[in-house]
Amino acid sequence: GAVVSQHPSRVICKSGTSVKIECRSLDFQATTMFWYRQFPKQSLMLMATSNEGSKATYEQGVEKDKFLINHASLTLSTLTVTSAHPEDSSFYICSARDRGAGKDYGYTFGSGTRLTVV
Amino acid sequence: QQQVKQSPQSLIVQKGGISIINCAYENTAFDYFPWYQQFPGKGPALLIAIRPDVSEKKEGRFTISFNKSAKQFSLHIMDSQPGDSATYFCAASKYDKLIFGTGTRLQVFP
Repeated sequence: GAVVSQHPSRVICKSGTSVKIECRSLDFQATTMFWYRQFPKQSLMLMATSNEGSKATYEQGVEKDKFLINHASLTLSTLTVTSAHPEDSSFYICSARDRGAGKDYGYTFGSGTRLTVV
Repeated sequence: QQQVKQSPQSLIVQKGGISIINCAYENTAFDYFPWYQQFPGKGPALLIAIRPDVSEKKEGRFTISFNKSAKQFSLHIMDSQPGDSATYFCAASKYDKLIFGTGTRLQVFP
């Protein structure tokens, strides 16, 4: 089945530094990739949608200059948290949609990245 | 319009029992309704999904019931097992975006 690899699984960084999270579709081409943020015991909140080769579309209230998304190929999207602060600490999850999924929509999720900003 | 309401927030079921989680939506444009299972520290994994032209879908111990007129759908887990203990999310989709429900924490006791 479709597999999405997300790295790193955990990262601790100092306040003011930037962190990059990678999301790769291993065995399929992803027309669209999504980035979510999840706080403890809460639901997944969509941050942005990215299509290969075009600018990401950010959800209302998400700072596009803080959360930089690059979707350079059909198998790779990256999320960079710039000038991270403790309030950016969260669980970040990517999802990729298989362009060949047809009726099933084909959303596959990565295993998530736990970001802690100290 | 974009919300998906999920209940209950938490559920405790004895081993072998039936777990039932309910969701309601408002946007009639949604055309894909999946359920996801999430274990702590992991990403969500697709359990089962349904389209609005079907009233019920069963896969193994998992069944989705869908009521289009009431704009509600539910997940039934038959013969619940301790390994089913996880957080379950319903979701709805149209035009690529997945909108998630608030989640239900299920605990199955032996």
